[in-house]
Amino acid sequence: GAGVSQSPSNKVTEKGKDVELRCDPISGHTALYWYRQSLGQGLEFLIYFQGNSAPDKSGLPSDRFSAERTGGSVSTLTIQRTQQEDSAVYLCASSMGTAPSTDTQYFGPGTRLTVL
Amino acid sequence: AQKVTQAQTEISVVEKEDVTLDCVYETRDTTYYLFWYKQPPSGELVFLIRRNSFDEQNEISGRYSWNFQKSTSSFNFTITASQVVDSAVYFCALSEAWGSQGNLIFGKGTKLSVKP
Repeated sequence: GAGVSQSPSNKVTEKGKDVELRCDPISGHTALYWYRQSLGQGLEFLIYFQGNSAPDKSGLPSDRFSAERTGGSVSTLTIQRTQQEDSAVYLCASSMGTAPSTDTQYFGPGTRLTVL
Repeated sequence: AQKVTQAQTEISVVEKEDVTLDCVYETRDTTYYLFWYKQPPSGELVFLIRRNSFDEQNEISGRYSWNFQKSTSSFNFTITASQVVDSAVYFCALSEAWGSQGNLIFGKGTKLSVKP
C-alpha cells in the first residue's frame, strides 16, 4: 500500500476483554514500531520489530501487552484483560530498516482504543 | 538520560503571523537525529524533517524553516506567514544512534491554532 494502515480505526471494549490491533506497514519496510499516545503520557514507544523479531520490547507497559509480526509484514498488538488505563491511541510506524536509528519513520492513522 | 522538551503547550496566532515552536533536547550520544512531525486534527502523524547531529545548517522548505543549534541543544521550528491549515499539534522527537533501535523520544507537543 501507499502508506501505513491500521485497523480498526476505533475500538470500544469492556474492561477485562482482550483486544487485537493490526498494523500493515509500507511495503518493503523491515522495521516496525508501535507507540501509544495518551493525554497524560504523550507519545510513548512500546515495541520495535526488525523483520519478524522484536529486539526491543522495553516499552511494553505490562505482561498483558504482547505483539507479533509475521512474514516480515503485518503486525498485531494484543492487549489482554484490558484496563481503563489502556485507553489511548495506538500508533504504528514503519521505516526502511537499513539503519533504524537514522531512518525516518512513517506513521499510520492509529487505532483509538476505549476501555469502558 | 534522553529527553525532549517542548515548553509551549499551546500557541494561538492570527493568520499571516510568523510563529516559532521551541524544542530543547537532552542526550549523551554524540550522534543523534532530530525530527519534527505534524499531527493535524485527523490524527495521523506527518513527517516534516529529519536532521542529524553533524549538520547544523538551517533548513528552509517553503514557509517552514528549522534552526538547529547544538550549543543550546535546540531545534526550533518557524512557520512564516501562518495559515489556518497549519493548525495542528507539532511534535519534536529524538533518535539516538547508539543504545537504541531507532525508537523515537517525543516531546509533549505544541498545539498551534491559527485563526483567520
